[in-house]
Order: sequence, then C-alpha cells, then structure tokens
Amino acid sequence: GENVEQHPSTLSVQEGDSAVIKCTYSDSASNYFPWYKQELGKGPQLIIDIRSNVGEKKDQRIAVTLNKTAKHFSLHITETQPEDSAVYFCAASRKDSSYKLIFGSGTRLLVRP
Amino acid sequence: NAGVTQTPKFQVLKTGQSMTLQCAQDMNHNSMYWYRQDPGMGLRLIYYSASEGTTDKGEVPNGYNVSRLNKREFSLRLESAAPSQTSVYFCASRKNTEAFFGQGTRLTVV
Repeated sequence: GENVEQHPSTLSVQEGDSAVIKCTYSDSASNYFPWYKQELGKGPQLIIDIRSNVGEKKDQRIAVTLNKTAKHFSLHITETQPEDSAVYFCAASRKDSSYKLIFGSGTRLLVRP
Repeated sequence: NAGVTQTPKFQVLKTGQSMTLQCAQDMNHNSMYWYRQDPGMGLRLIYYSASEGTTDKGEVPNGYNVSRLNKREFSLRLESAAPSQTSVYFCASRKNTEAFFGQGTRLTVV
C-alpha cells in the first residue's frame, strides 16, 4: 500500500522567512496530493492541493510543487507569520471510489515573532 | 452549517470496556472515514465507507468495528478497549477530493 514520509518533524523559522516541508510517496498510482493544517485542539483543514498533471500550484503565500518522477512533493510558505504556526500534514491518494488519504507523520512549524 | 460533528469530545475508559464513537455530517457527502492520530505518527486510517452501505478496512483496523448507519452517520466501535487504543480519533467526510474533519475525540484507556 501507499507510504508517505514527511520531513522535517519540527521546523522553527523567524517571522518573514520562508518554510519548506517535503514529502515522498511510494505508490506510483497516487495522483492527488493535499496539504492540511492542524491548529491546536482542532481537526486538520485543507490549505492547498495538487494533482499529478500539474507541477506547481500557488495560492497567495503558499505553494506546492510536485515531481512525479522522483515521487516528491513540497509545501512552500513565504513571508511566514506567527499565525502560520501549526502542524502541517501532507497526504497522497489515488483517484478511485474510496479516495483514501494516506498521511505523512506531520511537521510542527513554529514561527518566531 | 455544522459540518462534521463528533461525540463525545473526551472519554476515559477502563481496559476491557466497550464504547462507540459517533460521527455525523450534514454535507450530503458519500464518503466517510475514521482516523486515529498519535504523536509522531500522523493520521492513520482505521476504516472508511465509500458510500452508504459499504465499509472497508484501512491501515490499522484491528480492535475496531464500524457501522455506516445511513448517509449522515458513521460510527466507530471499540469492543474491548486496550491501552494501545489511547489516541485522538478523527472522523472525516469527503466531497470530490477535499476531506472535512471533525474536532476529534480524545480517548484515554487506563
């Protein structure tokens, strides 16, 4: 089955700097790669996603890149703000009837004011 | 619009006790999921239901059972709780590709 690895497990950056979180996946049939943000005491929320027919997607300060050949995808946050502090999860899924999401182990991002 | 609602929010069980975690969604989604979240291990899929009337095992189904009662509700049952089942449990429903999560149930088994 699918296996998703996520690095780093913790990341501390100065406000205004950029943050990059990387994931690798094992199932070459996976074609949907979302990123979720989880704030303390809440459930994860989708912040951006990318499909396998796209190499890069951007939404304001966040962007995701995908390298299908290497089975890598990454989340980039620019101009970080204290409210970006949270746990971020990558995930991978096949486009089938179940749409099972397999998650990485998470990255705790701390943005220092 | 409540989204995905989980009950209870907190629960303490003794080893060997049983309980059912409830989940309901009001978004008319076909697919529903149960995940557990443990430190350093992310979210692991326990069971899922692609549509009303169907359920399938995920990555870590042992010790759990599920019921898709109707389109809205998907419950998770622990028949004989074990300390290894101490975790935070999340229910989710899915429309197209986006999954929507509940607030979670923090379960402690002593």
